[in-house]
Amino acid sequence: EVQLVQSGAEVKKPGESLKISCKGSGYSFTSYWIGWVRQMPGKGLEWMGIIYPGDSDTRYSPSFQGQVTISADKSISTAYLQWSSLKASDTAMYYCARHGGPDKGFDYWGQGTLVTVSS
Amino acid sequence: DIQMTQSPSSLSASVGDRVTITCRASQGIRNDLGWYQQKPGKAPKRLIYAASSLQSGVPSRFSGSGSGTEFTLTISSLQPEDFATYYCLQHNSYPTLTFGGGTKVEIK
Repeated sequence: EVQLVQSGAEVKKPGESLKISCKGSGYSFTSYWIGWVRQMPGKGLEWMGIIYPGDSDTRYSPSFQGQVTISADKSISTAYLQWSSLKASDTAMYYCARHGGPDKGFDYWGQGTLVTVSS
Repeated sequence: DIQMTQSPSSLSASVGDRVTITCRASQGIRNDLGWYQQKPGKAPKRLIYAASSLQSGVPSRFSGSGSGTEFTLTISSLQPEDFATYYCLQHNSYPTLTFGGGTKVEIK
């Protein structure tokens, strides 16, 4: 069974750094792109970026380029989303999702990680 | 970049109503589109893939149609559990993707 399990909720202060994770299981982790999606409180879904764990090829939405870093450790089947300096506006739910292939789109989703940034 | 315009942004409907939601792509995307349902506090769930293929386990009252730039999600007879927010997602620009803005379906 394909599963994506994300790390737990985080409460941080502005200016702090953060790295959240998404662990895949039940499939070949290195063979599928893993994407990250932001959902700000009461708002819609926004695609942030995506990584291919097999070779770490990474693409970012123009809206998020330079704001976050996406990485992966294929040895432990885990993808990451990190911030070097959080802002209050980063408060949101973050989801990871597997891209099933060129004609599939996002087929499996993690449960979400709530990030709260507040002084 | 491909933009997805979803309409309406919200709608009110009654149980048993037929509901239609539309997504328009800024350029042709063949049938590289999925529809997702999201309930409060939950991750999105895929209903339709490849524009018109029903995801396994999804009730047959959900259907999708369209190709190119215009796509439709139809709920033939709205049920109480269908009150949720619906999103389209294009993946023609593989591996990058774009979401529509969402449609909140509320009880009339």
